[in-house]
Amino acid sequence: GAVVSQHPSWVICKSGTSVKIECRSLDFQATTMFWYRQFPKQSLMLMATSNEGSKATYEQGVEKDKFLINHASLTLSTLTVTSAHPEDSSFYICSADSGTGGGYSNQPQHFGDGTRLSIL
Amino acid sequence: DAKTTQPPSMDCAEGRAANLPCNHSTISGNEYVYWYRQIHSQGPQYIIHGLKNNETNEMASLIITEDRKSSTLILPHATLRDTAVYYCTPLQTGANNLFFGTGTRLTVIP
Repeated sequence: GAVVSQHPSWVICKSGTSVKIECRSLDFQATTMFWYRQFPKQSLMLMATSNEGSKATYEQGVEKDKFLINHASLTLSTLTVTSAHPEDSSFYICSADSGTGGGYSNQPQHFGDGTRLSIL
Repeated sequence: DAKTTQPPSMDCAEGRAANLPCNHSTISGNEYVYWYRQIHSQGPQYIIHGLKNNETNEMASLIITEDRKSSTLILPHATLRDTAVYYCTPLQTGANNLFFGTGTRLTVIP
């Protein structure tokens, strides 16, 4: 089945540094990828929708200058947490739609295994 | 998007069927019902989805009521590895942005 790989799986860094997380679709092309954030004992919250070749669409309350998204190819999207602070510590998860795009696919999304980010 | 209501937690004996309900009374006619599960510290795993008809695959069965206001995910023979948080989430035809509720934490007991 469709596989989504996320890297790194965990990262610990000092406050003020920037962290880049990669999301790759390994055996399919993904026009659209999604980034979620999950705090302990809470559900996943959609942060943004990443579209290949165009700007990402951010959910309300998510700072686009804080969470930079780049989707330069059909198999790779990156999320960069800029100037990370302890409150940015969370579990970040990406997903990709294995449909053919065009907005009328009901193929399920496939998720990466997440990146646990800890900011000291 | 339709809101969902799921019991916060359920227990199931190993080997027995696990029946996980979901209420989505505000679902619209063009919204599918998707089920995912999340095992601790992993990304969500797709299980099954349906629109009107009941569906079955190698993982589970999905029973959707005739009025589509609720559905039940059935794991026919629960194993310890099925312990996870199960989410049902409606998704409009043509849309692809999922919104997750609080889900049901299923614990399979030996």
